[in-house]
Amino acid sequence: DAKTTQPPSMDCAEGRAANLPCNHSTISGNEYVYWYRQIHSQGPQYIIHGLKNNETNEMASLIITEDRKSSTLILPHATLRDTAVYYCIVRPRLGGKLIFGQGTELSVKP
Amino acid sequence: EAGVAQSPRYKIIEKRQSVAFWCNPISGHATLYWYQQILGQGPKLLIQFQNNGVVDDSQLPKDRFSAERLKGVDSTLKIQPAKLEDSAVYLCASSSNKRDVGYTFGSGTRLTVV
Repeated sequence: DAKTTQPPSMDCAEGRAANLPCNHSTISGNEYVYWYRQIHSQGPQYIIHGLKNNETNEMASLIITEDRKSSTLILPHATLRDTAVYYCIVRPRLGGKLIFGQGTELSVKP
Repeated sequence: EAGVAQSPRYKIIEKRQSVAFWCNPISGHATLYWYQQILGQGPKLLIQFQNNGVVDDSQLPKDRFSAERLKGVDSTLKIQPAKLEDSAVYLCASSSNKRDVGYTFGSGTRLTVV
């Protein structure tokens, strides 16, 4: 399973875009990039996933570089409720374990 | 749809005692997972079930941990005897083989071993 590297922590002002980076330089052709977040005292929550193309849903946007070695999760208008640990994970779409790293602790400040 | 249900929410036991956690996955989800999350770390996969069969239990400390998923629905995870280092949140998750929207996690059981 490809490993990911994320900054341990980030701050973001409320209302501004939060851009969370992830490096996955050893990703293979059949592996997707998944993002989850974990709010305090809750289980992880699925956010978004992608293979090559940029993806957007109601929660966030995922930008994957052309060489697929890194990606950025974008929360367009961060709120205080977005304060959480964000995990970037690579795995085959079908099957394959979700292996969590340390994640990025995002603090959204008023 | 209803989420993944776990109970109890909290449990405090003394070392060497036994404890069991229960999980009810989302209806129709064939795959069920148990994760252990120690404070300050990401979740670590303990065991994966496909229906009522074990797919992967390579990270399960089998000398003290056991898990079962009878009839391919509910699952229990047991620790016997517990050690201090078992203090953690135990998370259950389920996923569908038909739609890939990732895993759905429960809120977990926080275990404290004293």
